[in-house]
Amino acid sequence: QVQLQESGPGLVKPSETLSLSCTVSGGSMSGFYWSWIRQSPGKGLEWIGYVFHSGSTKYSPSVESRVSISMDTSRNRISLRLTSVTAADTAFYYCARIAGSGRSVAYDPFDIWGQGTLVTVSS
Amino acid sequence: QSGLTQPPSVSGAPGQRVTISCTGSRFNIGEGYDVHWYQQLPGAAPKVVIYANNNRPSGVPDRFSGSRSGSSASLVITGLQAEDEADYYCQSYDSGPSGWIFGGGTKLTVL
Repeated sequence: QVQLQESGPGLVKPSETLSLSCTVSGGSMSGFYWSWIRQSPGKGLEWIGYVFHSGSTKYSPSVESRVSISMDTSRNRISLRLTSVTAADTAFYYCARIAGSGRSVAYDPFDIWGQGTLVTVSS
Repeated sequence: QSGLTQPPSVSGAPGQRVTISCTGSRFNIGEGYDVHWYQQLPGAAPKVVIYANNNRPSGVPDRFSGSRSGSSASLVITGLQAEDEADYYCQSYDSGPSGWIFGGGTKLTVL
């Protein structure tokens, strides 16, 4: 079955760029929307954005000016870049697949999640 | 209008039934977008327990059920078990700029 694994630095300095990767194994990336979701320690879930296999993207207004999500199907990888980070960006970052039910993607759940990776923003 | 509202906590004794509510607006649940529910055990990633309002993924016990009405949705867990103790999140889509939205989460304590 499809599995996701996030990786990247666990510590980023304020004002620098956060870069994470998510490796997809056990299945194809094509035809699916792939999202990043974060969770500040002890807090709720926040959708960051998605990338579709065509390369199209959509981002949350809360981070839109600082975020970029891309995918590399040859490496089975989804990438997240978040610039100018502050302490408020400290969180567990999850990659997740939006289930492909055949209906509009807006109606589908996040059916597969990675285990998450904690990124701390601190000098 | 973004964001969904859940009670911070609910509790129940083993064997009892609990309900977790999720209130949205006419821009998300009220506009007909489906509601999904996730269970997050301590230290783990969220996992879908109900999708598209009232559907259970394979492997989720039939003690879990969901419903949607108007701008709200509910998750019901019957026959509570100790293993159900977790945080539960509802999720939908908002037709405004927010896109995919979550509730703030409800901590279920099994007494």
